[in-house]
Amino acid sequence: TQLLEQSPQFLSIQEGENLTVYCNSSSVFSSLQWYRQEPGEGPVLLVTVVTGGEVKKLKRLTFQFGDARKDSSLHITAAQPGDTGLYLCAGDNAGNMLTFGGGTRLMVKP
Amino acid sequence: EAQVTQNPRYLITVTGKKLTVTCSQNMNHEYMSWYRQDPGLGLRQIYYSMNVEVTDKGDVPEGYKVSRKEKRNFPLILESPSPNQTSLYFCASSPRGGWGGYTFGSGTRLTVV
Repeated sequence: TQLLEQSPQFLSIQEGENLTVYCNSSSVFSSLQWYRQEPGEGPVLLVTVVTGGEVKKLKRLTFQFGDARKDSSLHITAAQPGDTGLYLCAGDNAGNMLTFGGGTRLMVKP
Repeated sequence: EAQVTQNPRYLITVTGKKLTVTCSQNMNHEYMSWYRQDPGLGLRQIYYSMNVEVTDKGDVPEGYKVSRKEKRNFPLILESPSPNQTSLYFCASSPRGGWGGYTFGSGTRLTVV
């Protein structure tokens, strides 16, 4: 089973601060996805990255896929309380098995 | 509205009583999958399906069955539930597996006593 390690597990910051969440593995993935999950709901897809070195931006969120396609990062600029939630990375290989990281629980205080 | 619908949202049952959690998607997606989410263990894949009549085991298939007779439906069957199957379950679908990203249902919280 391929493993994905996310860090940090918990992050509590003030509104307006920047933060970066990391997702690391020793395995190569054909694609990597980031999801956000709110309490009592299913994960919601934020982005899929498929090319090594790829960078994608979604408003204040920047996602990067490592050159070797083994790791990824999520950077949030000027965090807002609405960014609070559980952030999950998930690696895909061959389109069938999706392996999730343990998640980063983010709290942004006003 | 494009969505994955799971039922029921909450279920409390007794050990050994067979149950089925239904999952339906209206996006004509090829791929469907079931996950369970447990504190400290994260999301783990139970079964997945690449198309009608094609299913395969994920990381934690023991104690579960699935079927994919129609493209839109992918029910999860627990023939003889046990307390260690108490968990939060999610169904998800995707147009082309990981490359397309998955759309998740709202979850089914199952308690087996």
